[in-house]
Amino acid sequence: AQSVTQPDIHITVSEGASLELRCNYSYGATPYLFWYVQSPGQGLQLLLKYFSGDTLVQGIKGFEAEFKRSQSSFNLRKPSVHWSDAAEYFCAVGARGYSTLTFGKGTMLLVSP
Amino acid sequence: GAVVSQHPSRVICKSGTSVKIECRSLDFQATTMFWYRQFPKQSLMLMATSNEGSKATYEQGVEKDKFLINHASLTLSTLTVTSAHPEDSSFYICSASEQGAEGNQPQHFGDGTRLSIL
Repeated sequence: AQSVTQPDIHITVSEGASLELRCNYSYGATPYLFWYVQSPGQGLQLLLKYFSGDTLVQGIKGFEAEFKRSQSSFNLRKPSVHWSDAAEYFCAVGARGYSTLTFGKGTMLLVSP
Repeated sequence: GAVVSQHPSRVICKSGTSVKIECRSLDFQATTMFWYRQFPKQSLMLMATSNEGSKATYEQGVEKDKFLINHASLTLSTLTVTSAHPEDSSFYICSASEQGAEGNQPQHFGDGTRLSIL
């Protein structure tokens, strides 16, 4: 069975500082990997996805993520955080050929002035 | 592109009422739709997966008769919470996915429905 671990429940970053949110997955084959962002009281927005190819994936809003097979990780990064990035971030893994996703528990990002 | 509309955004109703939530894909054909439930400060819990024209597949522990799902067309799925009680109060989110060349495509989410049962 596949699983996703987001070790950090919440992270506080100063505005303008760099950000890295951790995600580790467990899956027997090459997974499909996703990062979603959720603002309070709203649904989830897809930031980026990894299916195959280049292991460094660019997403929307200046985010990127790197797939590292050896570490079973798919960490999300942003070089300079903006106050509007404060939200909850979910990492998810899916199996090839199936649309069902397994989500991590999420990391709440707080941005300080 | 890939917009999913969920309606209503908020419902407050009395115990015993049945509530219907709609999920529409506006600019793509959703071969698969998903219904999630999210408790405060927690992750999404998948309730069921539905493919157009067939019965929904429910996750373990989710009552089929309590949470009726219909996916009658490639752009619409509905979740009906029957005889809702206060413990059914939650944030319900739908998502939709279209079948792509790579076999599966990202899920696109609606904005959720906040259900409050008094």
